[in-house]
Amino acid sequence: DGGITQSPKYLFRKEGQNVTLSCEQNLNHDAMYWYRQDPGQGLRLIYYSQIVNDFQKGDIAEGYSVSREKKESFPLTVTSAQKNPTAFYLCASTFGRYYGYTFGSGTRLTVV
Amino acid sequence: AQTVTQSQPEMSVQEAETVTLSCTYDTSESDYYLFWYKQPPSRQMILVIRQEAYKQQNATENRFSVNFQKAAKSFSLKISDSQLGDAAMYFCAYEEGAGKSTFGDGTTLTVKP
Repeated sequence: DGGITQSPKYLFRKEGQNVTLSCEQNLNHDAMYWYRQDPGQGLRLIYYSQIVNDFQKGDIAEGYSVSREKKESFPLTVTSAQKNPTAFYLCASTFGRYYGYTFGSGTRLTVV
Repeated sequence: AQTVTQSQPEMSVQEAETVTLSCTYDTSESDYYLFWYKQPPSRQMILVIRQEAYKQQNATENRFSVNFQKAAKSFSLKISDSQLGDAAMYFCAYEEGAGKSTFGDGTTLTVKP
């Protein structure tokens, strides 16, 4: 079945460490997105990509980086510059406007 | 930037009854899309229903329907014949260009047996 796979499900980061969250889709969607969800809040856009080898910053891109070398993959790196990275991270993709998002199951990142 | 407001942090409904979740948004655009997503305790976000702004007819998906009031910038979700499986957090979202969506803070729905 087609879908989006996020891994790992849980991730622990030490202070000063970079970590990478994986997002893979087999839906043949062009556009992919990364959102951050904090407790009691909605989703906030970190980065998005509408096509391979191109991506744009969202509302809260500071301390994060992405790449889009393949259509199927859109990994997110949380760098040491991100001072408060503990959150739930959701990856999404879509065919385009109107269709809405298909989401992955999320990664819970905790700083230890 | 567009804003989406869900004024009800929590709602509850009796099983088999009907409940309406509110959402308002702010935009100067005339062509846009609106969505409701469901996030159950598993945290897997699922698309519930969508609405195109230029369509006056309200969208319906089985027990879920919307009341779209473009002039008032209101987009409420009605759940009929509520079931225990409807218990979740519901997010309203406004889609702007490039497929980017702005989400409200969510409404937690409890379904009482």
